[in-house]
Amino acid sequence: DAKTTQPNSMESNEEEPVHLPCNHSTISGTDYIHWYRQLPSQGPEYVIHGLTSNVNNRMASLAIAEDRKSSTLILHRATLRDAAVYYCILTTSGTYKYIFGTGTRLKVLA
Amino acid sequence: SAVISQKPSRDICQRGTSLTIQCQVDSQVTMMFWYRQQPGQSLTLIATANQGSEATYESGFVIDKFPISRPNLTFSTLTVSNMSPEDSSIYLCSVTKGLAGGPDTQYFGPGTRLTVL
Repeated sequence: DAKTTQPNSMESNEEEPVHLPCNHSTISGTDYIHWYRQLPSQGPEYVIHGLTSNVNNRMASLAIAEDRKSSTLILHRATLRDAAVYYCILTTSGTYKYIFGTGTRLKVLA
Repeated sequence: SAVISQKPSRDICQRGTSLTIQCQVDSQVTMMFWYRQQPGQSLTLIATANQGSEATYESGFVIDKFPISRPNLTFSTLTVSNMSPEDSSIYLCSVTKGLAGGPDTQYFGPGTRLTVL
């Protein structure tokens, strides 16, 4: 299974954009890139996913490098409620197995 | 998406006893999974709950310790047997609708926080 590498922690000021990086140099052509976040005392929450093209939804944007070996989750304006652990996960269609790395703990400063 | 509920939300148990955790989904799903999250750690997959057949366990997890049932497409249980303090963790259920050829987006329940004394 392909692995991901993320920084252990990041800080951001409230109302500023946040760029959360993820490296996945062993990604295969059929792997999707999923991002989840886990708020304190909750289960992981789906944020966004993509395959090759950049993606936007109401929560965030996902920028995928042209060679697909890295991606960046972009929160356009961080709020205190965005403080969470963010996980980048590769999934291969049909295998259904998620391997969680250590994730990035995002701290948002007021 | 899917809405998932788990019961109980938390429990405190004595060592040597067993606890059964229930996972209920609001719609039919293809796959159901059970994860463990030890204190301060990331999530680890315990097993895939298969409807009508035995669960598929990941390395390090065995059926005698974590028996799983999945009687239909919306419900599953995980039992933590003969508990010890090392079993103190959050146990999470997740599901996917597993659309063929599509991304296997999983949706997670709120978790069951288990403390073993």
